[in-house]
Amino acid sequence: DIQMTQSPSTLSASVGDRVTITCRASQVISSWLAWYQQKPGTAPRLLIYQASNLESGVPSRFSGGGSGTEFTLTVSSLQPDDFATYYCQQYNSYPYTFGQGTKLEIK
Amino acid sequence: EVQLVESGGNLVQPGGSLRLSCAASGFAFGSYSINWVRQSLEKGLEWISYIGHTGDEKKYADSVRGRFTISRDNAKNLLYLQMNSLREDDTAIYYCAKDRGHCAGGGCYRYHDSWGQGTLVTVSS
Repeated sequence: DIQMTQSPSTLSASVGDRVTITCRASQVISSWLAWYQQKPGTAPRLLIYQASNLESGVPSRFSGGGSGTEFTLTVSSLQPDDFATYYCQQYNSYPYTFGQGTKLEIK
Repeated sequence: EVQLVESGGNLVQPGGSLRLSCAASGFAFGSYSINWVRQSLEKGLEWISYIGHTGDEKKYADSVRGRFTISRDNAKNLLYLQMNSLREDDTAIYYCAKDRGHCAGGGCYRYHDSWGQGTLVTVSS
């Protein structure tokens, strides 16, 4: 199985900050990577697919990058609504696997 | 608007069985593959099963293979997960998640663009 490792596990930041979350795959997955946002008590929400494609309706302050084994999710200017947990997922091969999550907290 | 609504979660004893359902609306259900993904505090998000749009193709995570069965009824826009021989480590919120993606270079690559709200399964004596 492909292991996905996110860093950091927790990130404290302020409104207006630029933040970046990293996701590493244990094998090459090309660009078959998605990012999801989850708030407490709700289901994950798709933000980014194929490493860098923004899902419809997602604010343009979110961006994704990378290919191969290293990927990033960047929020250019944090808004109050962005404080949540973020997960990466590889869909290069089954079983699809998720990172352990990065909790973005208000500093 | 795409809607996925899970039901069937409950408290069940170890070794017991449960059937989850996912009712879909707002899209051409029979044209899309669907998955079950679960989430627990111990394991986080875990993909557990996939079914192709016709129901002919199925995949399972090792953790559930042989105990869980995925199926669908395209005439009723329903997805199911039959769970047998339940264990305490199956305790989780179970989500159904619709796929979107494409096939290229001999492979098909699908991500989950819509999720239900989840249903809680608790396995405990």
